[in-house]
Amino acid sequence: DAGVTQSPTHLIKTRGQQVTLRCSPKSGHDTVSWYQQALGQGPQFIFQYYEEEERQRGNFPDRFSGHQFPNYSSELNVNALLLGDSALYLCASSSDIDEQYFGPGTRLTVT
Amino acid sequence: AQTVTQSQPEMSVQEAETVTLSCTYDTSESNYYLFWYKQPPSRQMILVIRQEAYKQQNATENRFSVNFQKAAKSFSLKISDSQLGDTAMYFCAFSEGGSQGNLIFGKGTKLSVKP
Repeated sequence: DAGVTQSPTHLIKTRGQQVTLRCSPKSGHDTVSWYQQALGQGPQFIFQYYEEEERQRGNFPDRFSGHQFPNYSSELNVNALLLGDSALYLCASSSDIDEQYFGPGTRLTVT
Repeated sequence: AQTVTQSQPEMSVQEAETVTLSCTYDTSESNYYLFWYKQPPSRQMILVIRQEAYKQQNATENRFSVNFQKAAKSFSLKISDSQLGDTAMYFCAFSEGGSQGNLIFGKGTKLSVKP
């Protein structure tokens, strides 16, 4: 079992650009959650996807959007990047009988 | 709004000794879950232990145990026989939506285990 995987590992973008991050859930999991972890902080919940729909959303602007595919994998899209979007983006997968397992994260740097 | 507070930004412990990390939380809900996660320098967030609020018995996982005080809204983590591999950031987290609900994290405690 590969566990939760994320790509890419690192990413450097310029202000105003758009970025897409990807996540493949652990085998048997159907729910994907995304978190943003700024340097020196705990992760903050962005949103959660289940059955290809956004089920819950945290306090993030509409520039942050997502998608879940029929195979349960997910994408996080961020438009009009700001310097403050620089962070570690964590994906976690879960199911109704299993808690959240986290991936290794994608380090996004906005310059 | 629910909040999670970890009042110890950094702690250190000698190898083989015991250390306790503190966490308090605020909620008006009666049913919820509490977690401790470990994040080593590799960045991968690893679940250490979880506690369901309706269970009075404190959770235990090998060298890791919790002291859950529901009335005081306190959830501390005790690590016994500390090992060098325990060096990491430790995050306390809260969820009211079941074990897969959105997690609210504290700011973390950086634990260093010294040889």
